[in-house]
Amino acid sequence: KAGVTQTPRYLIKTRGQQVTLSCSPISGHRSVSWYQQTPGQGLQFLFEYFSETQRNKGNFPGRFSGRQFSNSRSEMNVSTLELGDSALYLCASSLGTSGNNEQFFGPGTRLTVL
Amino acid sequence: QQQVKQSPQSLIVQKGGISIINCAYENTAFDYFPWYQQFPGKGPALLIAIRPDVSEKKEGRFTISFNKSAKQFSLHIMDSQPGDSATYFCAVSGTYKYIFGTGTRLKVLA
Repeated sequence: KAGVTQTPRYLIKTRGQQVTLSCSPISGHRSVSWYQQTPGQGLQFLFEYFSETQRNKGNFPGRFSGRQFSNSRSEMNVSTLELGDSALYLCASSLGTSGNNEQFFGPGTRLTVL
Repeated sequence: QQQVKQSPQSLIVQKGGISIINCAYENTAFDYFPWYQQFPGKGPALLIAIRPDVSEKKEGRFTISFNKSAKQFSLHIMDSQPGDSATYFCAVSGTYKYIFGTGTRLKVLA
C-alpha cells in the first residue's frame, strides 16, 4: 500500500505570494491533518479534515486555509506569504479521525519564503 | 492553550546506554499517548503508543512508562544504538485533538 504523498517536495516563494500544497493520503484513509514544523517549535497543528469537513483548527491566522476532496486528497493554501512561514509542512492521514489513532505522515513540503 | 512539555531538548548517549525522554501534559481529556520517531528528510513515524489503562508498555528495546496521576509519560530506549539517532516526539491525543511535544534530538555515539 502506498504511503502518504506530498507535492511538491520543495518550494521557494517570495513574500506576498501565495502557495498551494497537496497531500494524497493512504488509500482508505479519510482523515487528513496538516502540521507546520519549525526548529524548536515541534509540530504545530494547522487543521484536520475528515470526509471533506474541517473537524479542528489550530491557532494559525486566516491566511492558512485548506480543503479536502471527495477522494480524501487534501490541499492547503497559504496566502500573502511572510518570512516566518518558512517551514516544513507535513501532512498526516489516519483511518478514522486523528484522535486516538495512529497518524501516517508524508515526507513533507519544504517551503522557503524569501 | 493546552501544551505538552517534552524534555530534554537534546540528548547524547553512548552506544549500549539507556535513553530516557520525558513528557508532561496538562489536561486529562486524552486517552492515547504515542511516541513518534523522525529521521532527517522523513516525516515522523509511530514508534510505540500507550493507552491510560496500563502503566507500562514494552516493544523490543522501547518502553513507555505512564503515570496517569502525575500526567507524565516517558520513553525508555534500552541498549541504544547509533541507528536510534533521530528526533523523538511525544504526543497526547483525544477526540479531534492531537498535540505534539517540541521534540528531543537523540544522538547515540558509536
